[in-house]
Amino acid sequence: QVQLVQSGAEVKKPGASVKVSCKASGYTFTTYVMHWVRQAPGQRFEWMGWIDAGNGNTKYSQKFQGRFTITRDTSATTAYMELSSLRSEDTAVYYCARDGSGSYNQYWGQGTLVTVSS
Amino acid sequence: DIQMTQSPSSLSASVGDRVTITCRASQTISTFLNWYQQKPGKAPKLLIYAASSLQSGVPSRFSGSGSGTDFTLTISSLQPEDFATYYCQQSYITPRTFGQGTKVEIK
Repeated sequence: QVQLVQSGAEVKKPGASVKVSCKASGYTFTTYVMHWVRQAPGQRFEWMGWIDAGNGNTKYSQKFQGRFTITRDTSATTAYMELSSLRSEDTAVYYCARDGSGSYNQYWGQGTLVTVSS
Repeated sequence: DIQMTQSPSSLSASVGDRVTITCRASQTISTFLNWYQQKPGKAPKLLIYAASSLQSGVPSRFSGSGSGTDFTLTISSLQPEDFATYYCQQSYITPRTFGQGTKVEIK
C-alpha cells in the first residue's frame, strides 16, 4: 500500500532554514508528482508547490518563490522541501501529498510540525 | 489565484441528519473540485474527487455534485465518525486552493 512517511517535528529560530523529508513506498516513486501543502494554526490549507519525481521539474506557488525548494532523491524514494528565511508566520504543519490518477491529493504524509520561535 | 468559499463555516447536526456543505469558486473550474475530511491531529482524507466521484473505500452516504463555480458535498445520514472538518479544493489550476473549512459538530 502507498505510504508517505515524513520526518519529525522541528523548532527553528527566525531567519533559519528547515528541510522536511517525505519517504514514499508502495508505488513507483518516479511515476507521480509530489505536492507540498501547509496548514498554519487556524488557517486554511495552502498549496506550496510540486515536484515531478520522474524528471525533477518543479512548480512553486508565487507566494513562496525564492525561499522554497523541493527536491527528490529517486534512489531513496524521498522528496524534500526546504523553506528558508523562516518567520513566525511559517509555523505550520507541512504535508507531502501524492496525486491519484487525476488531479487530486489521494495520499498524504502524516504531517510535520515546524515551529518558528525565538 | 482562484478563491474558494465554503458555507457554512460550522454547523451542528445530529446523528442521522442530512448535511449539505457548499463550496463556491471565484471563477469556473469545470469539475476540478475535490472534498477532504480532516479530524484533529490527522492528515486530510480524500472523500470525493472530480466533483462527484466517490473515492474507493468512502461510504456511499457521502456524495458530491456541481460544476463550474458551485459545488455541494452531501452526507445523507450523519454518523458519529463523520464529525470532522470538511474542505473543498480546486485543482483546475495552480496554485491549488482550498476552502476555509466547514466544521461539523454534534448537536
